[in-house]
Amino acid sequence: DTEVTQTPKHLVMGMTNKKSLKCEQHMGHRAMYWYKQKAKKPPELMFVYSYEKLSINESVPSRFSPECPNSSLLNLHLHALQPEDSALYLCASSQWNSGNTIYFGEGSWLTVV
Amino acid sequence: SQQGEEDPQALSIQEGENATMNCSYKTSINNLQWYRQNSGRGLVHLILIRSNEREKHSGRLRVTLDTSKKSSSLLITASRAADTASYFCASVGEYGNKLVFGAGTILRVKS
Repeated sequence: DTEVTQTPKHLVMGMTNKKSLKCEQHMGHRAMYWYKQKAKKPPELMFVYSYEKLSINESVPSRFSPECPNSSLLNLHLHALQPEDSALYLCASSQWNSGNTIYFGEGSWLTVV
Repeated sequence: SQQGEEDPQALSIQEGENATMNCSYKTSINNLQWYRQNSGRGLVHLILIRSNEREKHSGRLRVTLDTSKKSSSLLITASRAADTASYFCASVGEYGNKLVFGAGTILRVKS
């Protein structure tokens, strides 16, 4: 079973709101990722967690705050976002690192109004 | 930047024909992975090919890797309308922990 589950599927939030995107995997994977994808563009890496520790932050603005409460869960906390942050946010996981197959969830569509 | 280009940017073929997509990258890699994305959906993993491999097959898919030219190709044989999607290659650097995507190829298979 190679499944990464993301919730919610769609989210509309105002620029002053605080919301969170959630990601869960039960494959025993120890690396988890957040990607952002704008329309008609490839996914862009935001964060990498390895063994529940943040290992890569691709200079993402602080209004995006990742959290890895345990090895199965990955959250992305959102605060004071801008309309240009509207995008598809993809969570992914792999067994240990990027040397392994990376499995993606269906994504969360975020619209900032 | 680690990732190079993909070509073509868009490809339109008839059902039953073969589709070939090419990908180039800039730095030495650990592996290269191919993904499919249907409109507005998540990414489906197709094949991972390691730097010491030259060719891999999975069903109607054939992936080749030429590390001397820093390029890879994805061949879909006997295409079907359901193969209509965007296809991305993504590479992992030799020492890195990042999967970096190319621009992608939009494939349309007409029935």
